[in-house]
Amino acid sequence: AQSVTQLDSQVPVFEEAPVELRCNYSSSVSVYLFWYVQYPNQGLQLLLKYLSGSTLVESINGFEAEFNKSQTSFHLRKPSVHISDTAEYFCAVSEAGSYQLTFGKGTKLSVIP
Amino acid sequence: DTAVSQTPKYLVTQMGNDKSIKCEQNLGHDTMYWYKQDSKKFLKIMFSYNNKELIINETVPNRFSPKSPDKAHLNLHINSLELGDSAVYFCASSLGTSGSNEQFFGPGTRLTVL
Repeated sequence: AQSVTQLDSQVPVFEEAPVELRCNYSSSVSVYLFWYVQYPNQGLQLLLKYLSGSTLVESINGFEAEFNKSQTSFHLRKPSVHISDTAEYFCAVSEAGSYQLTFGKGTKLSVIP
Repeated sequence: DTAVSQTPKYLVTQMGNDKSIKCEQNLGHDTMYWYKQDSKKFLKIMFSYNNKELIINETVPNRFSPKSPDKAHLNLHINSLELGDSAVYFCASSLGTSGSNEQFFGPGTRLTVL
């Protein structure tokens, strides 16, 4: 069965500094990987996803994530964060052939002015 | 145009009561879900319906009963509410059951049981 580990529950970072949110997954088959973002008092929104092809995927607001099969990781990065990036970030995995999405416990990103 | 909507947004009620949360999606999706997010933000799947048929039924007390009158609606009824039911409940939908499909989430219903 698939599982997801987000190693950091909270990540404080100064504005305009780079950030990396870590995500590792466990699965014995091919996977699809997702990052969702939850702004305060809102539902989750898809940030980016890896389905196949290029292992580096990007979002429209400057985030990127790289699928690393050998390390079973899908870390999320941004070279320069903004105050508006303050939110909870969830990594999620779905196995090929399965319709169930498993979420990690989330990482709270706090951007400090 | 709200893609996935839930009502009510907030629900405060006493232990032992019965309550319902409604969900509607206007995306034309075939698959809908209910998730529970606890106070630590952990998100756990509860149920999933595809074309009005139940396909995921996780270990959830049978006090929780989902109902899908049509593909666009998935409601959640909770009987005999308990303190531990306090959480934020999210409805979501996706195009189909493939794991590659993005899930679209509603704004959530914050349930507080007193």
